[in-house]
Amino acid sequence: AQSVTQLDSHVSVSEGTPVLLRCNYSSSYSPSLFWYVQHPNKGLQLLLKYTSAATLVKGINGFEAEFKKSETSFHLTKPSAHMSDAAEYFCARGDSWGKLQFGAGTQVVVTP
Amino acid sequence: EAQVTQNPRYLITVTGKKLTVTCSQNMNHEYMSWYRQDPGLGLRQIYYSMNVEVTDKGDVPEGYKVSRKEKRNFPLILESPSPNQTSLYFCASSPTSLAVRPYNEQFFGPGTRLTVL
Repeated sequence: AQSVTQLDSHVSVSEGTPVLLRCNYSSSYSPSLFWYVQHPNKGLQLLLKYTSAATLVKGINGFEAEFKKSETSFHLTKPSAHMSDAAEYFCARGDSWGKLQFGAGTQVVVTP
Repeated sequence: EAQVTQNPRYLITVTGKKLTVTCSQNMNHEYMSWYRQDPGLGLRQIYYSMNVEVTDKGDVPEGYKVSRKEKRNFPLILESPSPNQTSLYFCASSPTSLAVRPYNEQFFGPGTRLTVL
């Protein structure tokens, strides 16, 4: 069974409009959750992480994510997309063995 | 600058020709890991290392070997590469395993794009 499901493989948004990237996880306990971004020909960079301190997590570049235990979701949002947000985004979950389980990724396209 | 470096960045080789992809980190991290990235599958863990001389299999270890003789280096070895190992490979490091500190960030190298003909 997949531990992390990213519900959209591709998302296209216009510059200046909101971005929503959806992530659901499977877990019997409160997991550690992460969002990473991968720009073309680059490694992965951490956007934000859920540490159980607060359900609304703020990250870099104006991104934030909300942890909803009842929905087992950790969706990523940004109020206003910028051209530089075009990239692939990965949701990941730390499992009980200490491994990072990744979703399949969401490719974000930003149009002028 | 704190970083994870990988070499080479691009490699084209032929079936059966042994190769090594190097990975080095300068952050004194205990935990290191190798992933492969394939379209539609995200990143899958190949091998990981909790510390020097301690390595273990990830989700897709077949066809790969690793070693951890020094804390900073974690090479990935393909003894007899096959076309299904054509992929984008990432090395990552973290202060400790997520099992010890669940919220540790993993730092990723720039990736190695491998093509096996």
